[in-house]
Amino acid sequence: KQEVTQIPAALSVPEGENLVLNCSFTDSAIYNLQWFRQDPGKGLTSLLLIQSSQREQTSGRLNASLDKSSGRSTLYIAASQPGDSATYLCAVPESETKIIFGKGTRLHILP
Amino acid sequence: DTAVSQTPKYLVTQMGNDKSIKCEQNLGHDTMYWYKQDSKKFLKIMFSYNNKELIINETVPNRFSPKSPDKAHLNLHINSLELGDSAVYFCASSQGTGGLSPLHFGNGTRLTVT
Repeated sequence: KQEVTQIPAALSVPEGENLVLNCSFTDSAIYNLQWFRQDPGKGLTSLLLIQSSQREQTSGRLNASLDKSSGRSTLYIAASQPGDSATYLCAVPESETKIIFGKGTRLHILP
Repeated sequence: DTAVSQTPKYLVTQMGNDKSIKCEQNLGHDTMYWYKQDSKKFLKIMFSYNNKELIINETVPNRFSPKSPDKAHLNLHINSLELGDSAVYFCASSQGTGGLSPLHFGNGTRLTVT
């Protein structure tokens, strides 16, 4: 059974700093890994999807890496901005049809 | 031009009532989902439909009944509501099964049972 853990549960950093969010999963036989962002009172927005054959994906200031063998992924945010404040969740498929989510990291960027 | 829309946004009702939440997606996706996010923000899948066929039914009480009239709509009907049903319910969709392609979420329905 797949389990997804995100550490830390919450993080506060000053604006402009680079930061890393961590995600670990127990079963390395995954198709892909997704990172999502959730703003208060809103749904989840897909940020990046890394296929199992890839080691990283980049979108603007975001870079996600994947190490299947160690069951880990990181989301790197460069030059953080107050607008980056949100909860970030990672998710991996347990099967072709079922996706398991971590509990998220609540990020607060201090102006 | 909302991709995944669900209604209502808020739902407050008393124990024992029956209520429905509606979801529609205009992305042309063939798979739709219902997720429940509890008070601790943990997101858990409830149901998944692919081309109107049920493909995932997690251990959800049978008071919850999804209905998919066509592949663009997936509604959730809840009978005999209980206090523990209070949560935020999210609808989502994907092209193909969600294990292989990105999920697109609606903004959620906050259900409060009193």
